[in-house]
Amino acid sequence: GAVVSQHPSWVICKSGTSVKIECRSLDFQATTMFWYRQFPKQSLMLMATSNEGSKATYEQGVEKDKFLINHASLTLSTLTVTSAHPEDSSFYICSAMAGTVGSNQPQHFGDGTRLSIL
Amino acid sequence: DAKTTQPNSMESNEEEPVHLPCNHSTISGTDYIHWYRQLPSQGPEYVIHGLTSNVNNRMASLAIAEDRKSSTLILHRATLRDAAVYYCILRASERDDKIIFGKGTRLHILP
Repeated sequence: GAVVSQHPSWVICKSGTSVKIECRSLDFQATTMFWYRQFPKQSLMLMATSNEGSKATYEQGVEKDKFLINHASLTLSTLTVTSAHPEDSSFYICSAMAGTVGSNQPQHFGDGTRLSIL
Repeated sequence: DAKTTQPNSMESNEEEPVHLPCNHSTISGTDYIHWYRQLPSQGPEYVIHGLTSNVNNRMASLAIAEDRKSSTLILHRATLRDAAVYYCILRASERDDKIIFGKGTRLHILP
């Protein structure tokens, strides 16, 4: 149980293109999902907290107009990298938690999306 | 946020136990200790978590010091598939549940 699916697993596109990444909780409902990015040989960096039915909360230094997050349902959150440039190339990972906020349940992670901007 | 300190890397032989240490001297009374691991080219995977008592599951054991200022993740019999980066993380039950990753320990398993 508690499977998080991320799509696509990898994408290559030209500079200036906008790219949408989907994160789905397959067998549980997730009020809150999280988006991370990871550069080679570095740790995961939290970008934003995605809340169902409300605006995402972005971490300091993350441009909200660059990284659009939509959490339209209890099982789906999307991250759109707008007008992507080579410096946006990275490994993007989402996570979701079953249970209510504050319940300290484990987070379940997707397998990530490797984004390469040419 | 309370922080954790882990060795950058460790090595272990296959089929032997592995003890991965974590220091968290500024832990608060309501912080849970969580462990995740990340295999190459994958998202992190939950391993185990605990508050005060030692915990066991099918993947590992978690030994928590009596003063809670340190903990140890124990893999009882390492396999090559256990080669990963292991992250020790503190989470407060009354906060917003976001997980902040440190640098973790890169575990190498020698055949």
